[in-house]
Amino acid sequence: ETGVTQSPTHLIKTRGQQVTLRCSSQSGHNTVSWYQQALGQGPQFIFQYYREEENGRGNFPPRFSGLQFPNYSSELNVNALELDDSALYLCASSLLAATGRNEQFFGPGTRLTVL
Amino acid sequence: DQQVKQNSPSLSVQEGRISILNCDYTNSMFDYFLWYKKYPAEGPTFLISISSIKDKNEDGRFTVFLNKSAKHLSLHIVPSQPGDSAVYFCAARASGTYKYIFGTGTRLKVLA
Repeated sequence: ETGVTQSPTHLIKTRGQQVTLRCSSQSGHNTVSWYQQALGQGPQFIFQYYREEENGRGNFPPRFSGLQFPNYSSELNVNALELDDSALYLCASSLLAATGRNEQFFGPGTRLTVL
Repeated sequence: DQQVKQNSPSLSVQEGRISILNCDYTNSMFDYFLWYKKYPAEGPTFLISISSIKDKNEDGRFTVFLNKSAKHLSLHIVPSQPGDSAVYFCAARASGTYKYIFGTGTRLKVLA
């Protein structure tokens, strides 16, 4: 059983550019969530996808968008990058079950730096 | 508005002693709570969880206590080991949602 993987591990972009981050869910998981973790802060929920549909969204502007594919892998796209977008982006996969217990398993993250 | 607060940014404990990490929350709709551990250059690792219908959950050296009236939870690690040195995050989820709210983390250092 493979864990959650993310690519790339590090990325440097300039203001105004667009970026796509990728995540492969843990085998058997049907839900993926994306988080932004700024330095010294806890992860902040961006959005969650379940069966290729957005299932909930945090307080992030529309220039943050996502996709989930039939194999449950996922992308996070950020348009018109701003300096404050510099952060660690974490992907977490889980199995949405009837019990409601869906502990999330995190990938190692992608460190994005916007110059 | 920080709905989940970890007021101690750091904690140092001697090996073999008890580590107690604290977390407070403000949203009475939270019904599920988790603790995650994070090492540098890795994603957070799930440690232990507790539902609001319980006040205690134990897993080996780790015990989580929930005091709903005080809106407070704590993680006890006994005995603490040097490998426990990491940043610990508490997280909470409101009933009917799948959005987890994280605290800012507490850096635990276990001294050999």
